[in-house]
Amino acid sequence: QKEVEQDPGPLSVPEGAIVSLNCTYSNSAFQYFMWYRQYSRKGPELLMYTYSSGNKEDGRFTAQVDKSSKYISLFIRDSQPSDSATYLCAMSALNTGKLIFGQGTTLQVKP
Amino acid sequence: KAGVTQTPRYLIKTRGQQVTLSCSPISGHRSVSWYQQTPGQGLQFLFEYFSETQRNKGNFPGRFSGRQFSNSRSEMNVSTLELGDSALYLCASSSSSRDTQYFGPGTRLTVL
Repeated sequence: QKEVEQDPGPLSVPEGAIVSLNCTYSNSAFQYFMWYRQYSRKGPELLMYTYSSGNKEDGRFTAQVDKSSKYISLFIRDSQPSDSATYLCAMSALNTGKLIFGQGTTLQVKP
Repeated sequence: KAGVTQTPRYLIKTRGQQVTLSCSPISGHRSVSWYQQTPGQGLQFLFEYFSETQRNKGNFPGRFSGRQFSNSRSEMNVSTLELGDSALYLCASSSSSRDTQYFGPGTRLTVL
């Protein structure tokens, strides 16, 4: 079993829809949780960064962490065609530069 | 502030050769981590360097090695290349292990 599980999709939604992306994990030592967006043939771009449990909002993006359930989510409101990309969840334990990534979910937002 | 830069962007090598990839972190960042990305395995951690010292290592064979220089620039080396080493190699920098990592564009290595 992988430490981080993420549904690879693909996920296709119409423009303006609310998108929900999720990851589950098994390692209770994880304290830092991130979401990256990766366009084709580019490096991952940091979207959201959360320490421990809770919610964080940035514009159209909301990240949620539920450590008791070992479950993290990313919500995208009013999705746009430019949001079409692969979304990767990542997490790490305290004081380590080692990120563990999910497989990534491919999202397509249709105009 | 300039982002993470990686050179070269593309490389084609043949089996048995060796290759060296370079990474320049964001100015002021002292931690550099390397990852391998393949369609089958996704993004996998290779190693992390901080102040010229390797602090973490992933589950890769000894053919994969790295180093960091006093200016925080880092190189990774892969010796005796195998077909399965074809991948996108990503470098990420952060100011410390607890901080967010910012990725470069990657070096795409093809082994023939």
